Amino acid sequence: AQKVTQAQTEISVVEKEDVTLDCVYETRDTTYYLFWYKQPPSGELVFLIRRNSFDEQNEISGRYSWNFQKSTSSFNFTITASQVVDSAVYFCALSEARESGGYQKVTFGTGTKLQVIP
Amino acid sequence: NAGVTQTPKFRILKIGQSMTLQCAQDMNHNYMYWYRQDPGMGLKLIYYSVGAGITDKGEVPNGYNVSRSTTEDFPLRLELAAPSQTSVYFCASRWDRGNTIYFGEGSWLTVV
Repeated sequence: AQKVTQAQTEISVVEKEDVTLDCVYETRDTTYYLFWYKQPPSGELVFLIRRNSFDEQNEISGRYSWNFQKSTSSFNFTITASQVVDSAVYFCALSEARESGGYQKVTFGTGTKLQVIP
Repeated sequence: NAGVTQTPKFRILKIGQSMTLQCAQDMNHNYMYWYRQDPGMGLKLIYYSVGAGITDKGEVPNGYNVSRSTTEDFPLRLELAAPSQTSVYFCASRWDRGNTIYFGEGSWLTVV
């Protein structure tokens, strides 16, 4: 069974602090894709990153960085020097790469609500 | 830069009414999805389509129907609206398996 766990329901940090959002996944597939999405208070879902299971290199994009570790089935997201505009709900998602009855199952975590306090 | 377009953005329905949420994408994506997001929760898949003329049920299909007559459009039909269908609905699409999923801006539906 495929599962994504975001154990942190809500996190509050003071502006300029670093914060890490955890994502732990379960899958029996050897090929899969992981995603992070941001949902700001306005409600839309904004794509942040996509990573395939064969690429364990960490990635940095400005203040955002992602740590993918297959050994622990984790794909954690760190925001450095957080800003008020980072306040949002962040979702981690896992997508199978193989066909399964014509549908590639995509499983979303329940999200972590991040509040950055000025 | 249209991407995935959903209409309407907000709607209030009375119990028992029906309506259609429209979704269109201009990226020539094969895969399209409808999700619902209940308050404080993650996304649950309602229906999906892997191409024009092909649709199938997701996790929570009861009370909904879809059609996919063209690659671009994937409307979601709510029949006999119930309060349990009060939610935010997201349409999404992607080119192929493993590719990035792009979401519409969401449709806020309240059934009273």
